[in-house]
Amino acid sequence: NAGVTQTPKFQVLKTGQSMTLQCAQDMNHNSMYWYRQDPGMGLRLIYYSASEGTTDKGEVPNGYNVSRLNKREFSLRLESAAPSQTSVYFCASSEEGQGAYTGELFFGEGSRLTVL
Amino acid sequence: AQSVTQLDSQVPVFEEAPVELRCNYSSSVSVYLFWYVQYPNQGLQLLLKYLSGSTLVKGINGFEAEFNKSQTSFHLRKPSVHISDTAEYFCAVSVTSYDKVIFGPGTSLSVIP
Repeated sequence: NAGVTQTPKFQVLKTGQSMTLQCAQDMNHNSMYWYRQDPGMGLRLIYYSASEGTTDKGEVPNGYNVSRLNKREFSLRLESAAPSQTSVYFCASSEEGQGAYTGELFFGEGSRLTVL
Repeated sequence: AQSVTQLDSQVPVFEEAPVELRCNYSSSVSVYLFWYVQYPNQGLQLLLKYLSGSTLVKGINGFEAEFNKSQTSFHLRKPSVHISDTAEYFCAVSVTSYDKVIFGPGTSLSVIP
């Protein structure tokens, strides 16, 4: 029972490098999210996708791009990484959009990114 | 816009003692409320949620929370904590007409033997 799978789990980048965080869910959920977690700031929403083919900005979208490749996959791309993007990134999914609001987010285990 | 405040960043408590973690929110429309728990080096998992109905909500691991609309609060309580309750706890809010959840800054609960 995989749930939400994120790759990679750890990554070290140099300033200016690019990379993509991959996320896949096997629960047939419509909505998917990318959050970043920083000490003392909780989780902040970067981007979300309410359904396949749609994406919207969250609280802190600058410096990131996303792609909802299909219903299962939602990737987060850093085009030119900066030290301020050092964080733990979490992907999540939820059932919203299927007519039955449960309110529950299902999280991956996180991806720890360090930008030097 | 919605926001969530968790007044206590760290809460130390002795084992078997009661605990209350405070959460307040601001919103101009009706909201759904959640508590999530994050154990070390893991993702978050749902502890409990308030969508509608009874304002006292019971969750997993003996936790409960009470929704107070007049005080815009959703405090989390447990009558007797265990060492295994040591974790980060996040209060969160979502608005019925949007597909996103906003989280508070978190409260680190440390249970002391």
